[in-house]
Amino acid sequence: SQKIEQNSEALNIQEGKTATLTCNYTNYSPAYLQWYRQDPGRGPVFLLLIRENEKEKRKERLKVTFDTTLKQSLFHITASQPADSATYLCALENSGYALNFGKGTSLLVTP
Amino acid sequence: DAGVIQSPRHEVTEMGQEVTLRCKPISGHDYLFWYRQTMMRGLELLIYFNNNVPIDDSGMPEDRFSAKMPNASFSTLKIQPSEPRDSAVYFCASSLGFAQPQHFGDGTRLSIL
Repeated sequence: SQKIEQNSEALNIQEGKTATLTCNYTNYSPAYLQWYRQDPGRGPVFLLLIRENEKEKRKERLKVTFDTTLKQSLFHITASQPADSATYLCALENSGYALNFGKGTSLLVTP
Repeated sequence: DAGVIQSPRHEVTEMGQEVTLRCKPISGHDYLFWYRQTMMRGLELLIYFNNNVPIDDSGMPEDRFSAKMPNASFSTLKIQPSEPRDSAVYFCASSLGFAQPQHFGDGTRLSIL
């Protein structure tokens, strides 16, 4: 069966460090992968999309890698700030238009 | 620009009652998605529409759930009769299409007593 795995344990890091979140998947061949941020009581907010033929994508302090051989995506936040504290969700394309989401990893950045 | 608008934000009702959740997508978005989020199961896709037509409803848990999209600016998700295990946060999202971001509303927190 298809699975998307994100670290269920919260990630605690110090302000200014780089946060790295992992998304592993099985039994998928996604054409693209997306990352979303979710704050308590709010809906997910889109951050980045990376296609299967792209190895890396950057946007400001964010970087995403996509390794279709390892079936893994890494999401990096450099120079992290307390405002980056949130839950981050990985989402894989399924049948073109729909997304299947991982359960998310909670990130806490402390001053 | 207005984002995806969902109503109500919170709904508390008794088991057996009918529940109707509403969604207004972003104008011009051809795709509309309904999701359910719980701690145990995470964010699950229930159904999605393209140009008001249901495309995939395989995520709808059972016949008690139904969704409609009578026009491009309005969709409903109905649960009848509701059960305590339906308690969750229900999200609506819309997008332009393939490999496009999905824009989510802030959800309806549903509690069935």
